[in-house]
Amino acid sequence: QVQLQESGPGLVKPSGTLSLTCAVSGGSIDSNNWWSWVRQSPGKGLEWIGEIYYSGGTNYNPSLKRRVTISADKSKNQFSLKLSSVTAADTAVYYCAAYSTTWYYFHSWGQGTLATVSS
Amino acid sequence: QTVVTQEPSFSVSPGGTVTLTCGFSFGSVSTSHYPSWYQQTPGQAPRTVIYSTHFRSSGVPDRFSGSIVDNKAALTITGAQADDESDYYCLLYMGGGISVFGGGTKLTVL
Repeated sequence: QVQLQESGPGLVKPSGTLSLTCAVSGGSIDSNNWWSWVRQSPGKGLEWIGEIYYSGGTNYNPSLKRRVTISADKSKNQFSLKLSSVTAADTAVYYCAAYSTTWYYFHSWGQGTLATVSS
Repeated sequence: QTVVTQEPSFSVSPGGTVTLTCGFSFGSVSTSHYPSWYQQTPGQAPRTVIYSTHFRSSGVPDRFSGSIVDNKAALTITGAQADDESDYYCLLYMGGGISVFGGGTKLTVL
């Protein structure tokens, strides 16, 4: 299984853009996975944000689609999340994860990174 | 509205058996939803337990099993142990590249 590591600013101002990166190791981003983002607001459940395939195809949660962009950088073996127009409701632990295209499940997870929206 | 439903909480005695369920507000859960289950303890990333209805993820004890029961996905723990006390989330594939988590079940072992 691959290893995943999130990175990015822990503090974002309201109305700004949250940007996170997930470094993939132990495997290539050119593999048969959907590279995904999942978040968890404090004390709440898991929420699927969206995913990208190495060829560039994306899928997004309809409730976030208007504000989300997921991209991939094959040269760096990493993928990224941008969430625009953030509010306090976007404060959460953000996980990157690898989603199997064969069995439709998350088989590898990053440790998660807390992003706080505050002025 | 809630699409994927789970019991908010459940309790089991050590050594007991518990079945957590995962329903779909608009119909039956089937194998075509490829139900998967994730275990999460506070401050930790989720850990994959079951995928594609009944396959155990690597390293998961065989006291964990998955199935479809009464049109819902089910996670059964047989012989519950103290370290099974966690939050459990199911995930259903809805088609069209969309996946949805359930709200999670907080399992207490006491």
